[in-house]
Amino acid sequence: QKEVEQDPGPLSVPEGAIVSLNCTYSNSAFQYFMWYRQYSRKGPELLMYTYSSGNKEDGRFTAQVDKSSKYISLFIRDSQPSDSATYLCAMSGAQKLVFGQGTRLTINP
Amino acid sequence: ETGVTQSPTHLIKTRGQQVTLRCSSQSGHNTVSWYQQALGQGPQFIFQYYREEENGRGNFPPRFSGLQFPNYSSELNVNALELDDSALYLCASSGGGADTQYFGPGTRLTVL
Repeated sequence: QKEVEQDPGPLSVPEGAIVSLNCTYSNSAFQYFMWYRQYSRKGPELLMYTYSSGNKEDGRFTAQVDKSSKYISLFIRDSQPSDSATYLCAMSGAQKLVFGQGTRLTINP
Repeated sequence: ETGVTQSPTHLIKTRGQQVTLRCSSQSGHNTVSWYQQALGQGPQFIFQYYREEENGRGNFPPRFSGLQFPNYSSELNVNALELDDSALYLCASSGGGADTQYFGPGTRLTVL
């Protein structure tokens, strides 16, 4: 079993839709949770960084962490074509980040 | 503030050769981590350097080695290249510990 599971998609939604991306994990030592966005052939760009359970909002993005269920989510409101990218969840307990496989998201105009 | 930079952007090598990839960390960051990202996969942790010492290593063979310099820039060296080493190699810098890691654009390595 992988430490972090993420549905690879692809996921295709119309512009303006609410997008929900999810990851599950097995290692209860993870304390820090991140979402990165990666455009084709580019490096990952940090979107959200959270510590502990709860919600964190930044503009159109909301990150949610449920440590009891070992489940994290990223919600994108009013999705735009420029949001089309691969979204990677990542988590850590110490030095290294452990990533999910990434979900390919396409927002159709 | 200068972000993380990597060189070269891409390169092509043949099986058995050796390669060196370079990374300059973001200003103020003393920790560099290297990741390998195969096509369609998430990045996999190779190792981390903190103040010129290796500070954690993933499940990669010893032919993957690294260095960190006094200015916190870093190199990743891969010997005896194999076809499966073809991937995007990412460098990330941070302030250490569990601090947020910021990634460079990556070096795309193709092994023929």
